[in-house]
Amino acid sequence: DGGITQSPKYLFRKEGQNVTLSCEQNLNHDAMYWYRQDPGQGLRLIYYSQIVNDFQKGDIAEGYSVSREKKESFPLTVTSAQKNPTAFYLCASSPEPRGGNTEAFFGQGTRLTVV
Amino acid sequence: GESVGLHLPTLSVQEGDNSIINCAYSNSASDYFIWYKQESGKGPQFIIDIRSNMDKRQGQRVTVLLNKTVKHLSLQIAATQPGDSAVYFCAENYGGSQGNLIFGKGTKLSVKP
Repeated sequence: DGGITQSPKYLFRKEGQNVTLSCEQNLNHDAMYWYRQDPGQGLRLIYYSQIVNDFQKGDIAEGYSVSREKKESFPLTVTSAQKNPTAFYLCASSPEPRGGNTEAFFGQGTRLTVV
Repeated sequence: GESVGLHLPTLSVQEGDNSIINCAYSNSASDYFIWYKQESGKGPQFIIDIRSNMDKRQGQRVTVLLNKTVKHLSLQIAATQPGDSAVYFCAENYGGSQGNLIFGKGTKLSVKP
């Protein structure tokens, strides 16, 4: 089945540790995105990538890093510099890069908790 | 509507009634709009979209209305069912520097059997 897969579904991190969230898509989409969702809030853009080996900061990129070495993969690293990392993280992809009027397809999310 | 703090606006309806969820968008240059449904603990799912050259679009049991004059979007769900209970987000695309979708904070729909 075509789709976008995030793993793990739940992730626990100790303070001071870096963790990496996986996002893979087999939809052959050019653009991929990472969003953060906090309770009662809308989705906020962390990073996005419109093409392999290129990515841009979103509204809340501080404390996060990404890579886009392959078209189908867009992993997100939450670094120790992110002061409040506990949140629900959503990865999305869309078939057209910037400016394209198309929907974004979402994964099922990773819930990260700092313990 | 807009949410304050941790509390989402909530709409409670009886099963079988029609639901109307409203959204005010921010940018008059936005030209594409989407409604998403998000069930608890899951990612958002596409419901319906509309482009700015239209003011109404219908899907299966859902209708989206766009009023560009007042920058208002609404989602109408006919014969609401318990499975419709979720948080509903509107999103706008104004093709700005990020070229991505800007999401509203969402409205929680609760359907009473």
